[in-house]
Amino acid sequence: QVQLQESGPGLVRPSETLSLTCTVSGGSIGDFYWNWIRQPPGKGLEWIGYVYYSGTTNYNRSLASRVAMSVDTSKNQFSLKLTSVSAADTAVYFCARGRMVGAAPPYFDFWGQGKFVSVSS
Amino acid sequence: QSVLTQPPSASGTPGQRVTISCSGSNSNIGNNFVHWYQQFPRTAPKLLIYMNNFRPSGVPDRFFGSKSGTSASLAISGLRSEDEADYYCAVWDDTLSGWLFGGGTKLAVL
Repeated sequence: QVQLQESGPGLVRPSETLSLTCTVSGGSIGDFYWNWIRQPPGKGLEWIGYVYYSGTTNYNRSLASRVAMSVDTSKNQFSLKLTSVSAADTAVYFCARGRMVGAAPPYFDFWGQGKFVSVSS
Repeated sequence: QSVLTQPPSASGTPGQRVTISCSGSNSNIGNNFVHWYQQFPRTAPKLLIYMNNFRPSGVPDRFFGSKSGTSASLAISGLRSEDEADYYCAVWDDTLSGWLFGGGTKLAVL
């Protein structure tokens, strides 16, 4: 059974960079799309973007100017960086595996437990 | 306000059948698969239905997904107290080239 685990600081100062890592265990990082999704307190889910195991990325257009994702296949990890954060970026950040079936966009089949990140001075 | 519209709440009594809708457009639901997620408080979402109407292993057949045109539905039959959770639809949008989630529906079992 594939397991994902987010790690990183739980507190980030305004205008600084949020950095999170997701470690994948129980399966290879190869041939899947690796996503970041967030959920502000009491609100719904927002897709941030994905990184393919090859390094190809695709970001939510509303966040693209501030987002960077990367993958380290040797460590079975992928990462998220979100720059110039504000209080509006306070949320639980989930990593999730994207599974492709045929040519259809890869849906999220396994999720990490989530990491709450607060943006506050 | 989400591009995918779900009712904010739904309710039913044990044993009843409840339906949750997800309304979109041609660029998302009309041209792509719909997936549904179940989320309990303070936990990660769990895949409930994928590709419109397939259930992952372990999901009871009380959960049924369907799609017609630019709308999709999640039906839960034989409602149980443990079904009380938030439910989200998710679909790829061709215009945005990204994933969309519905606003979520909080299901109460009365």
